[in-house]
Amino acid sequence: DTGVSQNPRHKITKRGQNVTFRCDPISEHNRLYWYRQTLGQGPEFLTYFQNEAQLEKSRLLSDRFSAERPKGSFSTLEIQRTEQGDSAMYLCASSSKRGTELFFGEGSRLTVL
Amino acid sequence: EDQVTQSPEALRLQEGESSSLNCSYTVSGLRGLFWYRQDPGKGPEFLFTLYSAGEEKEKERLKATLTKKESFLHITAPKPEDSATYLCAVQASNQFYFGTGTSLTVIP
Repeated sequence: DTGVSQNPRHKITKRGQNVTFRCDPISEHNRLYWYRQTLGQGPEFLTYFQNEAQLEKSRLLSDRFSAERPKGSFSTLEIQRTEQGDSAMYLCASSSKRGTELFFGEGSRLTVL
Repeated sequence: EDQVTQSPEALRLQEGESSSLNCSYTVSGLRGLFWYRQDPGKGPEFLFTLYSAGEEKEKERLKATLTKKESFLHITAPKPEDSATYLCAVQASNQFYFGTGTSLTVIP
């Protein structure tokens, strides 16, 4: 296993369109996190899954955002009716049941025109 | 309110010029403090975890230390390839709170 995988790496879309990002965590990791990062800022927490259960959601996660993790494996983050303010890097990270360190993917960069 | 503050925001060093980056935090129930390196356009790369005051970790030219209120990332004799943004994060319960990072540039 080579680590956390995210795709697409880059997405350019027009305002009002829907986009979906996928994250494949490290295979034995049961915890999965989504973060958003804008230029010059640190990652901001969006949501967290333990197995298939979504346990926490940030206030940043408006009703246009939805995340799923069916069967506790890969996860998707969907943004509906995108706005220019959604332009950011969307980072996925996973951690094991024992470990606390987060291991990040390379991110999915979203540009909303 | 849980908070992580990193300083300086940016640091320029000559190759071989040692320095330290600071991460101060206020969090209830600290479970761990983490250092990450992030290259432009890429995801953060894990460096260290520190759990208790007095703990130290080393990796090549980097050494991380932890007190009750702050952590330092010491860079000894840096090389140009150490240029990156260094992020600090703290874990409280199941959430991780990140600082805004220190952008390090090492000039040959």
